[in-house]
Amino acid sequence: GAVVSQHPSWVICKSGTSVKIECRSLDFQATTMFWYRQFPKQSLMLMATSNEGSKATYEQGVEKDKFLINHASLTLSTLTVTSAHPEDSSFYICSATSGYYNEQFFGPGTRLTVL
Amino acid sequence: AQTVTQSQPEMSVQEAETVTLSCTYDTSESDYYLFWYKQPPSRQMILVIRQEAYKQQNATENRFSVNFQKAAKSFSLKISDSQLGDAAMYFCAYRSANQGGSEKLVFGKGMKLTVNP
Repeated sequence: GAVVSQHPSWVICKSGTSVKIECRSLDFQATTMFWYRQFPKQSLMLMATSNEGSKATYEQGVEKDKFLINHASLTLSTLTVTSAHPEDSSFYICSATSGYYNEQFFGPGTRLTVL
Repeated sequence: AQTVTQSQPEMSVQEAETVTLSCTYDTSESDYYLFWYKQPPSRQMILVIRQEAYKQQNATENRFSVNFQKAAKSFSLKISDSQLGDAAMYFCAYRSANQGGSEKLVFGKGMKLTVNP
């Protein structure tokens, strides 16, 4: 299957700072990328869907000004957690796909800890 | 809106035995995809098996097979000859076929599988 990477794999930051997480499709052009959040022992919660060159579509209850998503190229999407607070601590996972595939390919995830 | 239900939060199985994970879903659509994903302790999501709703034949991937009952909206996963490496969280997921791969996945709550040596 296709490969998706995330960077960083883990990050610790102070409350009030912003953190950027990158999601890259390494061997295919991803027309659509998804961002998920996962709390311990829970399922994946979709935060937003982003199509290359367009504004992201956020799920209900997700603050778009808090979680900024940019999908400026066919191989890169970024999630920026602005003014992070301890309640934003979580595991963030991205996935990517294109019209060629019938499945999403998942990145390895990023563990965010806000102190 | 579509929903996916995994009613068993945890299961255990002896190594080399067979275990079946249950999943039901609700949809008014006729064309869709169903998936089973595995999430080991590394937390990397791994696709185990996929079923297209228009196909009557149940999907099979080596030791993994599904029992897809479209009328009953049931999609169970059978793991044969269980191995220690099968221990993980398993998520059932649904995706509409309306817009191809760009459609979002709807996940169940997951089920933790323990494999006992």
